[in-house]
Amino acid sequence: DTGVSQDPRHKITKRGQNVTFRCDPISEHNRLYWYRQTLGQGPEFLTYFQNEAQLEKSRLLSDRFSAERPKGSFSTLEIQRTEQGDSAMYLCASSLSGALHFGNGTRLTVT
Amino acid sequence: AQTVTQSQPEMSVQEAETVTLSCTYDTSESDYYLFWYKQPPSRQMILVIRQEAYKQQNATENRFSVNFQKAAKSFSLKISDSQLGDAAMYFCAYIRYRDDKIIFGKGTRLHILP
Repeated sequence: DTGVSQDPRHKITKRGQNVTFRCDPISEHNRLYWYRQTLGQGPEFLTYFQNEAQLEKSRLLSDRFSAERPKGSFSTLEIQRTEQGDSAMYLCASSLSGALHFGNGTRLTVT
Repeated sequence: AQTVTQSQPEMSVQEAETVTLSCTYDTSESDYYLFWYKQPPSRQMILVIRQEAYKQQNATENRFSVNFQKAAKSFSLKISDSQLGDAAMYFCAYIRYRDDKIIFGKGTRLHILP
């Protein structure tokens, strides 16, 4: 399968714990995006990378959130000191010249 | 900043009938893409149809077609011969041409009545 893959598919954590999600984009795609989606809502932009450079961050990305794409390939999204309001689906997408592909997402539940 | 508005939170259509989902957007840019995505309960985002803003011809993909009115900033999706498998959330999306950043609408939940 050469699509966008995200790991894990589901994560349940206790409030206050740190979590890290991984996204592997399509190999030749230079742009990578993170979105957050809560139930019944459209995905909200969090951040995006062009190669290894993080070019834009949403105001939704508080200082507890950090994203990296160290070698311009896979990316990680870390949430520190999770809160119940962080419970959502975290979607990753990659693109090359307008051809966008989404992963299956990571569903985070904070208890 | 760009915004995307979907004014119909839910819609229902009888199987085999035609339904139109509305979308309007706001932007000051001249080059962009517009997409419709389908999101079934599995939550995978599936691209339904795309339209480049510079193209005047409306995109068509089998039973799916769009009515793109650039001056009015309107981008509606028409589904013909609706099938049970079309039931899903549909998101209208604006894509910035310079960096492919997507701005989504809030979605329209489509129900197909057998």
